[in-house]
Amino acid sequence: GDSVTQMEGPVTLSEEAFLTINCTYTATGYPSLFWYVQYPGEGLQLLLKATKADDKGSNKGFEATYRKETTSFHLEKGSVQVSDSAVYFCAPIYNFNKFYFGSGTKLNVKP
Amino acid sequence: GAVVSQHPSWVICKSGTSVKIECRSLDFQATTMFWYRQFPKQSLMLMATSNEGSKATYEQGVEKDKFLINHASLTLSTLTVTSAHPEDSSFYICSARVLTGEDGYTFGSGTRLTVV
Repeated sequence: GDSVTQMEGPVTLSEEAFLTINCTYTATGYPSLFWYVQYPGEGLQLLLKATKADDKGSNKGFEATYRKETTSFHLEKGSVQVSDSAVYFCAPIYNFNKFYFGSGTKLNVKP
Repeated sequence: GAVVSQHPSWVICKSGTSVKIECRSLDFQATTMFWYRQFPKQSLMLMATSNEGSKATYEQGVEKDKFLINHASLTLSTLTVTSAHPEDSSFYICSARVLTGEDGYTFGSGTRLTVV
């Protein structure tokens, strides 16, 4: 069935390091792809999205490109900050508006 | 942007009691709302899809008699955890689809339920 596989965490980086969090989805149909972020004690916030192949979503220095050929939507940031410490969820949405959330990747950024 | 207001943000209740969680769409009409739960250090799992004016659709394995969902208006959906037990302790989040604007889908801030 429809699903998503996300890189396991936690990921620990020093400030200003480069970040990649891998995400691959099941290639049934053409889902829209989302990254959500959850800061400690809070709900989910939309980080970025892409709705079709080769689209690049970007926000707050984060980027992800919809790669149909590799069924991937990897999240990247060139220089992370301590304030980026959170849990990141990859979430494709297929028919009937149902999100399939990845397992979440916890990011710890050390000063 | 579109906002979903979820209340309460946290609640502690005794075993056997019921707890109601509300989600309101503040500046848009939400025909459909989704309810998720999240166990510690795990991902969100869809529990049910709530449709205004009709019965909710529950995911496999979710007890509909235990998790009562009501979506009586275009701006309010409620989830009631009936006869709560400690294993129901979790983080519950609602979501609604926004048909205009950039987000597409917006999430409530979540409710931390602790059953003692």
